[in-house]
Amino acid sequence: GQQLNQSPQSMFIQEGEDVSMNCTSSSIFNTWLWYKQDPGEGPVLLIALYKAGELTSNGRLTAQFGITRKDSFLNISASIPSDVGIYFCAGTDAGNNRKLIWGLGTSLAVNP
Amino acid sequence: GAGVSQSPSNKVTEKGKDVELRCDPISGHTALYWYRQSLGQGLEFLIYFQGNSAPDKSGLPSDRFSAERTGGSVSTLTIQRTQQEDSAVYLCASSLTQAGTGELFFGEGSRLTVL
Repeated sequence: GQQLNQSPQSMFIQEGEDVSMNCTSSSIFNTWLWYKQDPGEGPVLLIALYKAGELTSNGRLTAQFGITRKDSFLNISASIPSDVGIYFCAGTDAGNNRKLIWGLGTSLAVNP
Repeated sequence: GAGVSQSPSNKVTEKGKDVELRCDPISGHTALYWYRQSLGQGLEFLIYFQGNSAPDKSGLPSDRFSAERTGGSVSTLTIQRTQQEDSAVYLCASSLTQAGTGELFFGEGSRLTVL
């Protein structure tokens, strides 16, 4: 099925560094979402975006809905060890609002 | 509890056996999803229930997989004649409304190992 192109696939950074990851789609999306999955847990919603150009922050996290409606990024500032996990982007295609399309995830490791 | 509850958390079975995985969604959530996540992979959509509408079964990988949702609440995912490639974490999620908002709440998953 359709998938989002999420990059990078993995990142290994030092505590305190900023992180950026992004997702692109081949079609126009109505919604962009960013989830985080800790080991042994289900994904948890971090940020939801509903309008092209929308820029939303949640603490040290900032995400944007690209103006082309085909991309989104997530930034994490001043990373800390508990930021470790897998970050997934997801979205709803404008042609099918009922089904979420998922990226394959970005695995983040933080060296204290 | 207030979250999505899944059971069992871990299941080890022999090839060829049937398994049932249960999901208790958040009370009042009308939408319920099943996903499969293989080791190190993303989320593979399996099936979606929305209220009393016919479920979207387009993600079920074979006719060995089926799911039902009774009374608009609890859901059971059944895998018949399990194969080793069925080994994965099966995640259930619920949503207050139709998927348009995309704000799904996930359970912790049921890890299935087929020997």
